[in-house]
Amino acid sequence: DGGITQSPKYLFRKEGQNVTLSCEQNLNHDAMYWYRQDPGQGLRLIYYSQIVNDFQKGDIAEGYSVSREKKESFPLTVTSAQKNPTAFYLCASTKGLGQGTYEQYFGPGTRLTVT
Amino acid sequence: QKEVEQNSGPLSVPEGAIASLNCTYSDRGSQSFFWYRQYSGKSPELIMSIYSNGDKEDGRFTAQLNKASQYVSLLIRDSQPSDSATYLCAVKLDRETSYDKVIFGPGTSLSVIP
Repeated sequence: DGGITQSPKYLFRKEGQNVTLSCEQNLNHDAMYWYRQDPGQGLRLIYYSQIVNDFQKGDIAEGYSVSREKKESFPLTVTSAQKNPTAFYLCASTKGLGQGTYEQYFGPGTRLTVT
Repeated sequence: QKEVEQNSGPLSVPEGAIASLNCTYSDRGSQSFFWYRQYSGKSPELIMSIYSNGDKEDGRFTAQLNKASQYVSLLIRDSQPSDSATYLCAVKLDRETSYDKVIFGPGTSLSVIP
């Protein structure tokens, strides 16, 4: 079955440590996205990538970094520079720019707690 | 004005009733609209897409779109306790952007009372 996987499901880190969240998809989608969701709030875009080896900042990129070395993979690193990293992180994908469809499909999410 | 607005709720309906969820958007040229369901602690799941004015039905779900009023709604007929979740409205912006920008509303919490 095609889909998006994220790991780990839960992650606990000490303040000051960098942490990397994994996102893998086998939908053959070109575009991938990282969102952050805080309790009672909507989704906020962190980074997006339309194609391999290219990615752009979203609305709240400060303190985060990404890479897109393979079409299937879009890992997110939460750095120590991120002031409030505790949140629910969601990875999503779409077919891609110019494909005519915009439905986003989400992975199961990673819940990060930093103390 | 926020780009996508929804009543936060909670919206409570009795089992078997019709639940009506509303969403307004600011980008007049938007053409693509989506409803996602998000259970507590889980990720959003796409339940409906709508692109044309009018109604689109899928089982117990009906999406309604009125572009002139910049309004999209989701009706859930014969509501079940399993429909209790947060419903996110999402809109693909029409203005030119470097990517297919989809804006999500804050979501409406629905509670179906047995």
